[in-house]
Amino acid sequence: GNSVTQMEGPVTLSEEAFLTINCTYTATGYPSLFWYVQYPGEGLQLLLKATKADDKGSNKGFEATYRKETTSFHLEKGSVQVSDSAVYFCALSPRNSGNTPLVFGKGTRLSVIA
Amino acid sequence: SQTIHQWPATLVQPVGSPLSLECTVEGTSNPNLYWYRQAAGRGLQLLFYSVGIGQISSEVPQNLSASRPQDRQFILSSKKLLLSDSGFYLCAWRGLGATYNEQFFGPGTRLTVL
Repeated sequence: GNSVTQMEGPVTLSEEAFLTINCTYTATGYPSLFWYVQYPGEGLQLLLKATKADDKGSNKGFEATYRKETTSFHLEKGSVQVSDSAVYFCALSPRNSGNTPLVFGKGTRLSVIA
Repeated sequence: SQTIHQWPATLVQPVGSPLSLECTVEGTSNPNLYWYRQAAGRGLQLLFYSVGIGQISSEVPQNLSASRPQDRQFILSSKKLLLSDSGFYLCAWRGLGATYNEQFFGPGTRLTVL
């Protein structure tokens, strides 16, 4: 079946530190991959996405590369800010998924301290 | 452009009382719609999804139910709330065209059952 595994949090970093949140997936075929972000008290927002192998999604200084050989889509940012404090969800959409909902990881809470 | 609304934003209800949460989508037709619950400090739990009027798929058996009386309206209900129903309820819809693989989330409803 399809599944997403992401590193457990919480992750606490100092401002300007480097961020990596690991995400690996299991899927038949080649899914589309996503990172969503949830700020406190809000719904989820799409942060970035990649639809095929070796694609790099990027947004707001975050980036993630679709690695087919390692079935991974790790999220990185070179210098985090306090405003990046949020919960981050990795997700996949199976290829030719029809009406199937996205499959989400359990989320990783990031806290950035000044 | 498309927007998704959820009502109410917050709700405090006693155990055993009924529940009705509403989600409406504007700017699209025949969307796939989803209800998720997020318990405190936990990940997303898919509750229901719908591909059309009157069509509901249940992912988790429990005392909640969903209905889709109109194309762009999705309602989550309960006849008798339990303490364990407390959480953050998120509605989402699936994109069209180039964004078909993406899900877009509403702002959420914070439900506290006392």
